[in-house]
Amino acid sequence: NAGVMQNPRHLVRRRGQEARLRCSPMKGHSHVYWYRQLPEEGLKFMVYLQKENIIDESGMPKERFSAEFPKEGPSILRIQQVVRGDSAAYFCASSPDTANTGELFFGEGSRLTVL
Amino acid sequence: AQSVSQHNHHVILSEAASLELGCNYSYGGTVNLFWYVQYPGQHLQLLLKYFSGDPLVKGIKGFEAEFIKSKFSFNLRKPSVQWSDTAEYFCAVGGSSASKIIFGSGTRLSIRP
Repeated sequence: NAGVMQNPRHLVRRRGQEARLRCSPMKGHSHVYWYRQLPEEGLKFMVYLQKENIIDESGMPKERFSAEFPKEGPSILRIQQVVRGDSAAYFCASSPDTANTGELFFGEGSRLTVL
Repeated sequence: AQSVSQHNHHVILSEAASLELGCNYSYGGTVNLFWYVQYPGQHLQLLLKYFSGDPLVKGIKGFEAEFIKSKFSFNLRKPSVQWSDTAEYFCAVGGSSASKIIFGSGTRLSIRP
């Protein structure tokens, strides 16, 4: 089975541009989590989604950031008008449909660099 | 507030030394506890987990962790480390139903050959 797929693996944007990060969960998984990892820091929770629903977005900045997980297609993390402080690794994880056991399967991350 | 604390940011050990990495959490209600590992150049993967039952859980590669409810702790241990254990280790906690999983800041483990 293919694991969690994230793309792009590396993304460079200039200040003010938009960044879109994609995450395809493992087959059969309908729970998706997004985390941000800044240099020398741990994984910071951003948002937890199920298909077509945002379950918890308490870690998401109120402005410029949005996430979706449509019925068809990958989950998208969108950052509008990027600033240098958005430079980080963004990790997606998925978990199975059947009961949320909390075991997460991670992608390899998308590294965003804002010039 | 929900939080996970890993007090050791970087641990350096010699091969065959014993390991204990600390993890304390603050999270209301019933918790599920995890340790994840990230080997150099790889993605995070589950090392072990605790949901209920025996508070001493065993994971892959000889790792174990003990849940001490009264101390809100879930420390990771290994009796004898190997060079291949060089990695970053993350403690994580989630609720028993659909809920977010939050992670500690990680502990980087370096093993001297």
